Amino acid sequence: SQKIEQNSEALNIQEGKTATLTCNYTNYSPAYLQWYRQDPGRGPVFLLLIRENEKEKRKERLKVTFDTTLKQSLFHITASQPADSATYLCALDLYYGGATNKLIFGTGTLLAVQP
Amino acid sequence: DAMVIQNPRYQVTQFGKPVTLSCSQTLNHNVMYWYQQKSSQAPKLLFHYYDKDFNNEADTPDNFQSRRPNTSFCFLDIRSPGLGDAAMYLCATSRGLTSGANVLTFGAGSRLTVL
Repeated sequence: SQKIEQNSEALNIQEGKTATLTCNYTNYSPAYLQWYRQDPGRGPVFLLLIRENEKEKRKERLKVTFDTTLKQSLFHITASQPADSATYLCALDLYYGGATNKLIFGTGTLLAVQP
Repeated sequence: DAMVIQNPRYQVTQFGKPVTLSCSQTLNHNVMYWYQQKSSQAPKLLFHYYDKDFNNEADTPDNFQSRRPNTSFCFLDIRSPGLGDAAMYLCATSRGLTSGANVLTFGAGSRLTVL
């Protein structure tokens, strides 16, 4: 069966440390993988995307890696701050060209950064 | 600012009483999506429109219908809400590129409570 799995337990870290979130998937072959942030009671907000032929992507304090052999993406937040506390969702972009595409989301990992 | 607006933000209905949720966008995006998100779960795609072309997910119940009268507006109709339909309903848009990833822009969501 097709699955997307993220750390089911909340991740608690101290301010200033690096947070690492994991996204594993089975029986999908995504062209892209995207990461979103979701605050309580709000819609997800896009953060970063990475293509299937890219190993790593960076944006400010964020870094994403993508290993299509392991079927895994890691999402890192360096120098974490309490304001980074939120749920982080990975999404597989099942786009193969043409007009129809869709994103399939994982359940998300709740990150709590303690001051 | 260009954005995705959902109304109402909070909707309370009675078991079996029809509900309509609305979504409008000023981004002029081709694609509009409806996702259902229950507490601590992944957003689940119900259906999407590419322009006027409707794409239903295989496991979306018949109780859920959608209309897109023009590029800017999309509606989600729940014909006979049950207790299990209580959730956050998220509208999202994307450009619907013919190549490349499609990043989603979400609205803030409509929280549905069924009594």
